Amino acid sequence: AQSVTQLGSHVSVSEGALVLLRCNYSSSVPPYLFWYVQYPNQGLQLLLKYTSAATLVKGINGFEAEFKKSETSFHLTKPSAHMSDAAEYFCAVSPNSGNTGKLIFGQGTTLQVKP
Amino acid sequence: DAGITQSPRHKVTETGTPVTLRCHQTENHRYMYWYRQDPGHGLRLIHYSYGVKDTDKGEVSDGYSVSRSKTEDFLLTLESATSSQTSVYFCAISQGGEAFFGQGTRLTVV
Repeated sequence: AQSVTQLGSHVSVSEGALVLLRCNYSSSVPPYLFWYVQYPNQGLQLLLKYTSAATLVKGINGFEAEFKKSETSFHLTKPSAHMSDAAEYFCAVSPNSGNTGKLIFGQGTTLQVKP
Repeated sequence: DAGITQSPRHKVTETGTPVTLRCHQTENHRYMYWYRQDPGHGLRLIHYSYGVKDTDKGEVSDGYSVSRSKTEDFLLTLESATSSQTSVYFCAISQGGEAFFGQGTRLTVV
């Protein structure tokens, strides 16, 4: 069965520091990979997606992620954290390109940004 | 928000009562989904639909049923609510290779 693992349920960084949120997946076929962000009491918003094109994917709000097939990873990074980045982040995989709403999510990582 | 509206946004109900949550979309999307979100589990797929009267089970479908009699509405029913179904429920559609989510319904079963 396919699965997604996010390492670290809570990550704390200082404002201006590098943000690194880790995601590993298991998939027997080339997957579609996504990162979503959820602000308190809101729905999920797509940050970026990988769909078998460029392995380095740029998203909104300065985030990017690199698909590494050999490591089955899709880690999310941002060079400099802002206070407004504090939220919960979810990595997700869709094994079916024709049904990309059928997602398997990781457990989520809460990002805290300290002033 | 891709024209997705969930109702109600909040509900408290008693154990053993039936509950129906509604997801309404205005843009004629074919695929619709129901997820539940619980701490430590991320989001898990309950059921999804790929057209009117075409539905299929997801990962955590036990205790839930769905119906889609019109393209725009996808209903999630808890036939007899249990405390383990206390959760936040999200509806989603897929468009252009990605999923768009509604604002969620917070359901508490007491």
